[in-house]
Amino acid sequence: GAVVSQHPSWVICKSGTSVKIECRSLDFQATTMFWYRQFPKQSLMLMATSNEGSKATYEQGVEKDKFLINHASLTLSTLTVTSAHPEDSSFYICSARDRTSVNTDTQYFGPGTRLTVL
Amino acid sequence: AQSVAQPEDQVNVAEGNPLTVKCTYSVSGNPYLFWYVQYPNRGLQFLLKYITGDNLVKGSYGFEAEFNKSQTSFHLKKPSALVSDSALYFCAVRRAYSSASKIIFGSGTRLSIRP
Repeated sequence: GAVVSQHPSWVICKSGTSVKIECRSLDFQATTMFWYRQFPKQSLMLMATSNEGSKATYEQGVEKDKFLINHASLTLSTLTVTSAHPEDSSFYICSARDRTSVNTDTQYFGPGTRLTVL
Repeated sequence: AQSVAQPEDQVNVAEGNPLTVKCTYSVSGNPYLFWYVQYPNRGLQFLLKYITGDNLVKGSYGFEAEFNKSQTSFHLKKPSALVSDSALYFCAVRRAYSSASKIIFGSGTRLSIRP
């Protein structure tokens, strides 16, 4: 149980285009999903917290107009990197928190999406 | 403020030997503590967590971790390492009883098990 999927697993795009990444909780409902960015050989950097049916909460320094997050249902959150540039190239990982374990807060992670912007 | 320290960037162990990956934390109040493992180009896999109760927590793949409140540590251990344990390990902490509190990750420790 507790499987989180991400699509696509990797994407290459031209500079200036927009890219959408999907995060789905497959066998549980997630009121909250998190989006992280990971640079090579570094830890995860939390970008934003996505709550179903409400606006995402962005971390300091993360441009909300650049990284659009939509959490339309209890099993799906999307991250859209708008007008991507080479410096946006990174490994993007989502996680989901099972709504039945709010207090213990075990997050289940997706497999990640590697974005390369040319 | 919450923080997690993993003092070792890399740990090298021979197969069959015991392994320890160190983690210390700082949080106001009681902590929830987690260990995750990451294989190349993959997301994080949950290994184990400490919420309350027994200080020794057993998790997946034969791993265990001991919560030490006085030393604010949560070291990950395994009695006998396998080559397949080679991966990147992250310790994480969150403030207990606070659903609004974010999980903070350590910088990661690369575990390398030699045959």
